[in-house]
This record gives sequence, structure tokens and C-alpha cells, in this order.
Amino acid sequence: QAVVTQEPSLTVSPGGTVTLTCGSSTGAVTSGQYPYWFQQKPGQAPRTLIYDTSNKHSWTPARFSGSLLGGKAALTLSGAQPEDEAEYYCLLSYSGAWVFGGGTKLTVL
Amino acid sequence: QVQLQESGPGLVKPSETLSLTCTVSGGSINSYYWTWIRQPPGKGLEWIGYMYYSGSTSYNPSLNSRVTISVDTSMNQFSLKLNSVTAADTAVYYCARVGRKGSRPSNIDFWGQGTQVTVSS
Repeated sequence: QAVVTQEPSLTVSPGGTVTLTCGSSTGAVTSGQYPYWFQQKPGQAPRTLIYDTSNKHSWTPARFSGSLLGGKAALTLSGAQPEDEAEYYCLLSYSGAWVFGGGTKLTVL
Repeated sequence: QVQLQESGPGLVKPSETLSLTCTVSGGSINSYYWTWIRQPPGKGLEWIGYMYYSGSTSYNPSLNSRVTISVDTSMNQFSLKLNSVTAADTAVYYCARVGRKGSRPSNIDFWGQGTQVTVSS
């Protein structure tokens, strides 16, 4: 089974910009793996921020954006807010089988 | 607003079968995929499987031999059965709705709040 890798932790200053990445053990991440990004705060269910690489939900703050960058899926947060401190997970599809990354703990400090 | 609610036993004995139901309100179960995802205590998310309302399924290969997901359109519910459980199956179990794009699942939008299941004798 493929392994999906994320940075274990990242720190961003309030108002700053940070990029989280999502890599695949099978090679470059492509749009055909339909990358997702989820946000999870302690004690809460995950919330979907991004699907199919860059599509947002109505509840996704405009400061979040998804893309492919350097062979990985990427989630960029521009103008970090204290409420963005959370765990972020990516998800990739491998011919219909889904695999989550291990998560990135984002600290806004 | 679509809402999903997981239900089922919070405690399951080792070697027995874990059974959970997700009840969908505020929308129809038809024309969507439905998925189960779990999270062991202090760990990350793990995809269990998904099912299209009309019957096609995809399961995590690491759980494939033990998992069954089914849909009851008349009750607007879908279910998870995981057999031969061990302590490693202790987790919060989430159900979620997934849209469809072409012939594939796309767009996990609504999630249940999750239900804790502990495997212990």
C-alpha cells in the first residue's frame, strides 16, 4: 500500500504564509489522485477544506488554497489566523483506494 | 442541512464483530457515495471504505477481508461491519457523505460527529 507523507509539524506567525505538502511513495502526486485537505481541531470531527486538488467548499476560508507544487499536493495558508491552529490531513486516491497522510500539526505562534 | 449521525455499541469484545450505522437526515442517500473513516486514539485518520448507494464498493486493502459496508435506502442509513476485531480496531469511527463526479467519488462534504468504539474484554 502506498504511503502518503506530510510534515509532522509546522509553525507560522499570525498573518504569515505557510505551505503544507503531501507526497506519495509512488512518485509525483498528480491531479488524477484528486488530493483532499482536511482540518481537524482537538475533539472535533475533521472538516474538508479542499477537494480535487484546489476546489473549495463554501465554508473554506479564502486564505486557504490547494495546488500541485514540486511533485506534491500543497495547501497554502496566506494570512494565518489563530483559529487556523489545527491538525491538517491530506488524502490521495490510488485507483479508487484512498490513503491518508499522517497529518501536520500547524501551530500559529 | 445534511446531518449524519453514527450509532452503535461503544464496547466490543475481541474476536467479535463491530457494527455501526450512520443515519442521514436532511438529504437523500441516493446518488451519493458514503464512506467510513476511523481515528485511533492520538493517531491520524484511516480510510476504511466507501460505497455508492447503488452497491459498488471500495475497501482499504489492509481491512478488506474483514469489512463490509452496506446501504439501506429505505431507512436512509448506511452501515459498517468489521469482524474479528482486536484492540487495534479501537478508534473513533466517522461516517461521511461523498459526492460523485463522472463515475468516481468526489467531494467529501458532510461528516458525522464520530463515535468511540473500544475493543476490550
